[in-house]
Amino acid sequence: GAGVSQSPRYKVTKRGQDVTLRCDPISSHATLYWYQQALGQGPEFLTYFNYEAQPDKSGLPSDRFSAERPEGSISTLTIQRTEQRDSAMYRCASSRDRDPYNEQFFGPGTRLTVL
Amino acid sequence: DQQVKQNSPSLSVQEGRISILNCDYTNSMFDYFLWYKKYPAEGPTFLISISSIKDKNEDGRFTVFLNKSAKHLSLHIVPSQPGDSAVYFCAATEGNFGNEKLTFGTGTRLTIIP
Repeated sequence: GAGVSQSPRYKVTKRGQDVTLRCDPISSHATLYWYQQALGQGPEFLTYFNYEAQPDKSGLPSDRFSAERPEGSISTLTIQRTEQRDSAMYRCASSRDRDPYNEQFFGPGTRLTVL
Repeated sequence: DQQVKQNSPSLSVQEGRISILNCDYTNSMFDYFLWYKKYPAEGPTFLISISSIKDKNEDGRFTVFLNKSAKHLSLHIVPSQPGDSAVYFCAATEGNFGNEKLTFGTGTRLTIIP
């Protein structure tokens, strides 16, 4: 696609529910990143994929958070048993490959609100 | 522990003047630095970057300066234009495979006054 897209753009859920967020990276991009951005903060790294491999999960805040990219293209981020502190903007980015000097292109984000 | 710091949450500059946005970092392993620009309701977009082997990189109206000894970088925009009004994030990476993630600062909201 022309850019990184994310869905839904907004998600409101009740505490304790599971949510799944979706990211469609730029079609030629091998590497996909997930970031969490709290209000008034910069994006914070959660995890990334190189194709379908997930070399780094170090930023996932708890085992309630998981991500998948089974076919090396679209990725989902799932938060189980959501808590109010999970409320944030979740941003996906993709880059051509793992080279750290390659630009990361960001999607518009999914704003998650947990009531 | 905030490894990348932008101590000014906001900055207002008159159109045509120079805008200077500052960023400090604490991790001496960072060797590649980036500035991202973000408009409301959009994702951050890459603006300019600098490698630690340089102390200056220029791209049109945008120049980034790096002072490694002070662990400080700055973004200069001259002349400032109304379209430059946005939130600017400083980011850094260790620039090696195995640690590709970007570490972001908290952002500075720049407002250009016509």
